Amino acid sequence: QSALTQPASVSGSPGQSITISCTGSSSDVGNYNLVSWYQQYPGQVPKLMIYEVTKRPSGVSNRFSGSKSGNTASLTISGLQADDESDYYCCSYAGTRSFVLFGGGTKLTVL
Amino acid sequence: EVQLVESGGGLVQPGRSLRLSCTDSGFSFDEYAINWVRQAPGRGLEWVGFIRSKAYGGTTGYAASVRGRFTISRDDSKSIAYLQMNNLKTEDTAIYYCTRDYVHNWAFDYWGQGTLVTVSS
Repeated sequence: QSALTQPASVSGSPGQSITISCTGSSSDVGNYNLVSWYQQYPGQVPKLMIYEVTKRPSGVSNRFSGSKSGNTASLTISGLQADDESDYYCCSYAGTRSFVLFGGGTKLTVL
Repeated sequence: EVQLVESGGGLVQPGRSLRLSCTDSGFSFDEYAINWVRQAPGRGLEWVGFIRSKAYGGTTGYAASVRGRFTISRDDSKSIAYLQMNNLKTEDTAIYYCTRDYVHNWAFDYWGQGTLVTVSS
């Protein structure tokens, strides 16, 4: 099964909102509410930002939100800040054959 | 405080084996699933495999790219998990991260710092 599809890059200005899409299929994103999102700075360890499509772990800013429609999940960052500039990866459970799929990652640039 | 620490990485020739370890200095190691995730240099994240807690059956699962070559196990008495990697290939070169899935919901809330595995002749 192929990785989930994310745009290679997105950009936005400080204060704006951006959305990163994550497209899968009816076998993964579309069939389970088990999508998570990770933030990774260069040379750093990934950090969990969203789990179970919409939930935020303790300590994650409420500027980060998740949603899903059909086979596409989305991560929205509102009130964009300079330190949001990072790589973002989506991840979904994909059933008992493939188990877990990651997206290819999206580089967010804050202009 | 959960603190996952990987060890065992290094340089290995193609076709050889390597065993990675993941230890947790905190508590409740036996309660959560462990997933291994890797990242090739300059590339994205790739899921490798998992082992559930004993309470969830202790079952394992693997990505197609490593199935039949990699094996995950755990020793809860020592708070340690292992990733046994056999018949290594150059494309297995990556940083290998040990991650925690506390509620078995396929979300990885703690990550180790990673250990680099380089497969090269």
